[in-house]
Amino acid sequence: EAGVAQSPRYKIIEKRQSVAFWCNPISGHATLYWYQQILGQGPKLLIQFQNNGVVDDSQLPKDRFSAERLKGVDSTLKIQPAKLEDSAVYLCASSFTRDGYEQYFGPGTRLTVT
Amino acid sequence: QKEVEQDPGPLSVPEGAIVSLNCTYSNSAFQYFMWYRQYSRKGPELLMYTYSSGNKEDGRFTAQVDKSSKYISLFIRDSQPSDSATYLCASNAPGRRALTFGSGTRLQVQP
Repeated sequence: EAGVAQSPRYKIIEKRQSVAFWCNPISGHATLYWYQQILGQGPKLLIQFQNNGVVDDSQLPKDRFSAERLKGVDSTLKIQPAKLEDSAVYLCASSFTRDGYEQYFGPGTRLTVT
Repeated sequence: QKEVEQDPGPLSVPEGAIVSLNCTYSNSAFQYFMWYRQYSRKGPELLMYTYSSGNKEDGRFTAQVDKSSKYISLFIRDSQPSDSATYLCASNAPGRRALTFGSGTRLQVQP
């Protein structure tokens, strides 16, 4: 079984530029999550999708972050414009369980904003 | 106060030692408790999860939850250098599938 795929793995941009990250979850997993992991901290949820609908985006900075999950499979997370404090690893995870206790993570995209 | 607290370490032990990793949490609604292992520049890898209180064993790993004291533990027996990683505890409450993570404990197993 293939794992969660993410691209790109690394991205360096200047502040005020835009960037997009892509995620392909494990086949059959209806729930998809985007987490932000700042160096030395645990992952923090940004947004959660159930199929192609948003379940929880309460911690997503909506003035600059956006995400979509078209057709209930792949997802894209975008930042526009980026700030220095957005430097982090952006992790995508997926789950098949109703309670979300088995979440499988991708390798992440390491973003550096200069 | 963070909902899940974890000592960041680093924790350094000799090969073969028994390792104890711990977390505390504040949200009484938490029901599932997970342990993830994260190698440098990799995504978190699910080690095991438990539901409510009790113990769960998987090979060299044992997870323990004490809901009365809001304490989560992971024990690693016969630790190996390949166990060197950051260990993250996480929990979630019914109806809220997103996980709340601790900040992670960095473990180094010296050969």
